[in-house]
Amino acid sequence: GQNIDQPTEMTATEGAIVQINCTYQTSGFNGLFWYQQHAGEAPTFLSYNVLDGLEEKGRFSSFLSRSKGYSYLLLKELQMKDSASYLCAVRYAGNNRKLIWGLGTSLAVNP
Amino acid sequence: GAGVSQSPRYKVTKRGQDVALRCDPISGHVSLYWYRQALGQGPEFLTYFNYEAQQDKSGLPNDRFSAERPEGSISTLTIQRTEQRDSAMYRCASIDGRGAAGELFFGEGSRLTVL
Repeated sequence: GQNIDQPTEMTATEGAIVQINCTYQTSGFNGLFWYQQHAGEAPTFLSYNVLDGLEEKGRFSSFLSRSKGYSYLLLKELQMKDSASYLCAVRYAGNNRKLIWGLGTSLAVNP
Repeated sequence: GAGVSQSPRYKVTKRGQDVALRCDPISGHVSLYWYRQALGQGPEFLTYFNYEAQQDKSGLPNDRFSAERPEGSISTLTIQRTEQRDSAMYRCASIDGRGAAGELFFGEGSRLTVL
């Protein structure tokens, strides 16, 4: 199968750092995406990783280890507006236009 | 257009009726996707098109669901003889087909309620 696993819920404090993990089946891997989705809104693109390592973009960073089938999204200096669902999605070779989506991690940022 | 546009935003229908959901992707985008998303869950793939050709329809739940994109731009998702279990948010997304990262741009969705 091509299950994408990520925690259902996380809670963090404003100003803190939070790491959201995602694991996936490695066979045929061809890229991993992170999307942010606020309640009632459409998902919006955050990051894309296809090679091992860390991609940094402002307060958000995304890490990938292809051999381990593992990625994380790191959010620094948390703000209340970061409260949202964070979706991990993987693209597999041979069907690389069809993303496999995780169920999402609902992050609550508290004051 | 500037973004992916979907209509109607909300649709309430009675069981057994047919519904048509429309998606107008970003101008020039090659690939168009249809997803269904239940509350608190990730998008569930339904089907996708490259230009006017339907490339994969493996996610369509049954033969009551169909989609078309006759001119390679606007797409319509049709659900015939709707059932209560069809109630969901239906999202359309497009990719320009030239970007290396293949970023999906989502529309605001069409929320379907079947009574």
